[in-house]
Amino acid sequence: DIQLTQSPSSLSASIGDRVTITCRASQNIINFLNWYQQKPGKAPKLLIYDASTLQSGVPSRFSGTGSGADFSLTITSLQLEDFATYYCQQSYSNSLYTFGQGTKLEIK
Amino acid sequence: QVQLQESGPGQVKPSETLSLTCPVSGGSISGYWWSWLRQPAGKGLEWIGRIYTSGNSVYNPSLRSRVTMSVDTSKNQISLKVNSVTAADTAVYYCARETGRLSNSRWHLWFDPWGRGTLVTVSS
Repeated sequence: DIQLTQSPSSLSASIGDRVTITCRASQNIINFLNWYQQKPGKAPKLLIYDASTLQSGVPSRFSGTGSGADFSLTITSLQLEDFATYYCQQSYSNSLYTFGQGTKLEIK
Repeated sequence: QVQLQESGPGQVKPSETLSLTCPVSGGSISGYWWSWLRQPAGKGLEWIGRIYTSGNSVYNPSLRSRVTMSVDTSKNQISLKVNSVTAADTAVYYCARETGRLSNSRWHLWFDPWGRGTLVTVSS
């Protein structure tokens, strides 16, 4: 299995802050890495695919970088609607997709 | 706009079979891989498996012995069955389409869109 480790597991920040969440894979997954945002009681929403491509309709304050085994999601100028849980997901192994454990972003 | 909506019993007894369907509206299911995922309350996401519209399927090894997925192109829907359920199978279940692009002879895939999810509780 390809393990994904996100850090931090939780994060407190203020509106207007810049935050970065990292996702480390247990092996090289090239750029087969996607990011999702999930709000309570809702399904996950795709933010970024292929490590750095912004999904249509997602605000440009979200960005993704990385390749190989180390990836990050950055949100610049946090807005109220950005407080949620974020998950990374690898699609390198399409016989066993896996997710990171999630990062909960809370208001400070 | 493609929309998915999981449906099925909200409660299943231990040792019985959990059965869910995911009708798709706004587009055809043909030509795509479709996945089922689940999320226990307060926990992370677990991928259950995927099925192509030809019927080819791939299951998470941790659930493979208990899971069956199927496709009904006439109804434009996919289905999930999990047998011999226990309390550990209590979760919100999601269906999702795998969308992607071909690059360097490999498909890069991601989950979009998702259904709203349906809570299944295993309890007597």
